[in-house]
Amino acid sequence: GDSVTQMEGPVTLSEEAFLTINCTYTATGYPSLFWYVQYPGEGLQLLLKATKADDKGSNKGFEATYRKETTSFHLEKGSVQVSDSAVYFCALSASDSGGYQKVTFGTGTKLQVIP
Amino acid sequence: EAGVTQSPTHLIKTRGQQVTLRCSPISGHTSVYWYQQALGLGLQFLLWYDEGEERNRGNFPPRFSGRQFPNYSSELNVNALELEDSALYLCASSLVRGQLTDTQYFGPGTRLTVL
Repeated sequence: GDSVTQMEGPVTLSEEAFLTINCTYTATGYPSLFWYVQYPGEGLQLLLKATKADDKGSNKGFEATYRKETTSFHLEKGSVQVSDSAVYFCALSASDSGGYQKVTFGTGTKLQVIP
Repeated sequence: EAGVTQSPTHLIKTRGQQVTLRCSPISGHTSVYWYQQALGLGLQFLLWYDEGEERNRGNFPPRFSGRQFPNYSSELNVNALELEDSALYLCASSLVRGQLTDTQYFGPGTRLTVL
């Protein structure tokens, strides 16, 4: 079945540091890929998405590129802020055996940014 | 535009009891998804409803069930509660039925504690 693997957390960075959160996936066909963010005490929000190979999703200074050859969708940000502290989920959307859409999430990576 | 709403915010139940969680999607969205976010396990897909019908189901026992009403709101019912059902239950809605590229919009969740 489909799966998403994220790097274990928590990731602790100083403010203005460079962020990379690795995400790799396995899926049949051509999934769409997403990054969601969950701030403390809140539900998930879409951060960015990419729907085909070599697409780059970007939002709020975060970027991720859909790499089909390496089945990866790593999240990056050049300079993190304390307000970026949250849990980040990588996800894929693909068709299951019945032809219906199914979204599979990774386990989440907690990011802590310290001043 | 109002987002996805869920009620109640918190629930405390005892083993063997039954619980009903409620979700109202964003206006115009016909698809509703339910997820369980247990501590340390990420998001696990539970159920997907669209146009009043169950379209897909995750790997959960039959005591997890639900329905979608004509106004597209949805209920998740859990019977015979077990301790391991303690989790954050997230509802999401999407605009376009079953499209791989579609974004799911999440509610704030219902925190269920089973004692």
